[in-house]
Amino acid sequence: DAKTTQPPSMDCAEGRAANLPCNHSTISGNEYVYWYRQIHSQGPQYIIHGLKNNETNEMASLIITEDRKSSTLILPHATLRDTAVYYCIVLGYGGSQGNLIFGKGTKLSVKP
Amino acid sequence: DTGVSQNPRHKITKRGQNVTFRCDPISEHNRLYWYRQTLGQGPEFLTYFQNEAQLEKSRLLSDRFSAERPKGSFSTLEIQRTEQGDSAMYLCASSLSRDNEQFFGPGTRLTVL
Repeated sequence: DAKTTQPPSMDCAEGRAANLPCNHSTISGNEYVYWYRQIHSQGPQYIIHGLKNNETNEMASLIITEDRKSSTLILPHATLRDTAVYYCIVLGYGGSQGNLIFGKGTKLSVKP
Repeated sequence: DTGVSQNPRHKITKRGQNVTFRCDPISEHNRLYWYRQTLGQGPEFLTYFQNEAQLEKSRLLSDRFSAERPKGSFSTLEIQRTEQGDSAMYLCASSLSRDNEQFFGPGTRLTVL
């Protein structure tokens, strides 16, 4: 599976949009971009995933560049409860058994 | 609550003792994964089951570790002769299939003294 690069930490003001970047320059054509987050002392929580097109659900939006080498997770109106470590994971189904390979993620701090 | 549950939530043991953790996945989920997470790091894959079959093991899973999933329902992870380096959060996740997102439990935090 391709590796990802994320900034170690970011701050965001409450109520503002949080834009979390992820680089995955070696991503293959059949690999998806997944985002999970982990609030302190809890298990990771699935947020969203995509292949080529931008995706939106009730939690967030995922913007994938046309060359698919990077993506951005957008939390449109961050709240204090969004403070967590956010993991960007590239997962391919061709030869992968589905186990997630986590990096260190981005620690997002939402401040009042 | 129909999410993934794990028991116990916390376990403190002395070095050399055996410990066993349990994971109850979401019913109807065929896949069950075990991960380990140490402080400041992301979770690391240990092993996974497709129904009752254990299909992959990480090199992190030494001979002291064994996992089972009898009848494709709950799973147990046993660590024999625990070492201080085994201290970590042990996370369980389940998914409907390989192509579906994984749902994680709250984890079992192991402290080996």
